[in-house]
Amino acid sequence: GENVEQHPSTLSVQEGDSAVIKCTYSDSASNYFPWYKQELGKGPQLIIDIRSNVGEKKDQRIAVTLNKTAKHFSLHITETQPEDSAVYFCAASIRGKSTFGDGTTLTVKP
Amino acid sequence: DTAVSQTPKYLVTQMGNDKSIKCEQNLGHDTMYWYKQDSKKFLKIMFSYNNKELIINETVPNRFSPKSPDKAHLNLHINSLELGDSAVYFCASSHVYGGSYEQYFGPGTRLTVT
Repeated sequence: GENVEQHPSTLSVQEGDSAVIKCTYSDSASNYFPWYKQELGKGPQLIIDIRSNVGEKKDQRIAVTLNKTAKHFSLHITETQPEDSAVYFCAASIRGKSTFGDGTTLTVKP
Repeated sequence: DTAVSQTPKYLVTQMGNDKSIKCEQNLGHDTMYWYKQDSKKFLKIMFSYNNKELIINETVPNRFSPKSPDKAHLNLHINSLELGDSAVYFCASSHVYGGSYEQYFGPGTRLTVT
């Protein structure tokens, strides 16, 4: 089955700095790679996703890159703000089944 | 106008009891899921139903039984609860066969077994 590794497990940055979270996956058949943000006491919420036929996608301060050959994808958050503090999950999906990484706790210090 | 709702939000019960968690989605999605999130925040899929049919059944004790009365509802029944079942359980839905794989999660049910 699919195996997703996510690093780092915790990340602390100063407000205004950039944050990068990286994931690798094992199943080359995976074709959909979402990123979720989970705030305390809430369910995960999709913030950005990318399909296997695209190498990069950007939405305001967040961007995701995908390297299919190396089987890794990354989340980039620029100009971080305190409200970006949360747990972030990557996932690799095939036919609607998602395997999640173990999460990254991002803390943005004012 | 909640998209994915779960009840109850909190559930405290004793070992050996049987309990159910209910989930409803009003998004018209064809696929629903149950996830378990443990104390370390790891998120693991348990089950998935598409149009009331079970399509994903991960390695979950058979004390856990999902039931989908229609494609808008997916309930989770747990028999003979154990301490290790304590976790947050999330329901989610997506429109897989419509080509959109984005999953919408419910607010979670925090289950505490004492």
